[in-house]
Amino acid sequence: GAVVSQHPSWVICKSGTSVKIECRSLDFQATTMFWYRQFPKQSLMLMATSNEGSKATYEQGVEKDKFLINHASLTLSTLTVTSAHPEDSSFYICSATRAGTEAFFGQGTRLTVV
Amino acid sequence: GENVEQHPSTLSVQEGDSAVIKCTYSDSASNYFPWYKQELGKRPQLIIDIRSNVGEKKDQRIAVTLNKTAKHFSLHITETQPEDSAVYFCAASKGNTDKLIFGTGTRLQVFP
Repeated sequence: GAVVSQHPSWVICKSGTSVKIECRSLDFQATTMFWYRQFPKQSLMLMATSNEGSKATYEQGVEKDKFLINHASLTLSTLTVTSAHPEDSSFYICSATRAGTEAFFGQGTRLTVV
Repeated sequence: GENVEQHPSTLSVQEGDSAVIKCTYSDSASNYFPWYKQELGKRPQLIIDIRSNVGEKKDQRIAVTLNKTAKHFSLHITETQPEDSAVYFCAASKGNTDKLIFGTGTRLQVFP
């Protein structure tokens, strides 16, 4: 099956700093990728839809200036959490779809802001 | 926008019994309904999915039913095993390449 790889798997950063998370589709081209956030014991909440070559579409309530998404190529989307605060600590997961198949998820990134 | 509700939030069954998890969705334009199993700290794993042109789909011990009129779909696991213990999420989208809206999750515990 298709492979989506996320990096890093976990990261600890200081409050006020920025963190970049990468999502790569390793064996297929993804014109669209999705970013989700999952707090402990909660569901996956869609943050934004990442479109290759254009601006991301953010869900209501998600701050676009805080969560910067760049989809510069058909195989890479990045999420940058800017000026991170402890409340941004969460499990961030990306997904990508290949035409005609199901969504493939990255392994997730556990962000801890101290 | 789409809203997906899922029940129950927790479910405990004895090994060998059946488990049923139910979801309802709000957007009649949704036509793709996958179910995921997620273990702690891991990515969601697709276990079965169904499209709106089908009423039921089965894969060994797992089945999904869809009632488009009522806008609800259910996951059925028969002959449960301890390794089925995990959190299960339903989801809905307007096509398998569109964004997924997830249900709130069900923590299933299967006791030996």
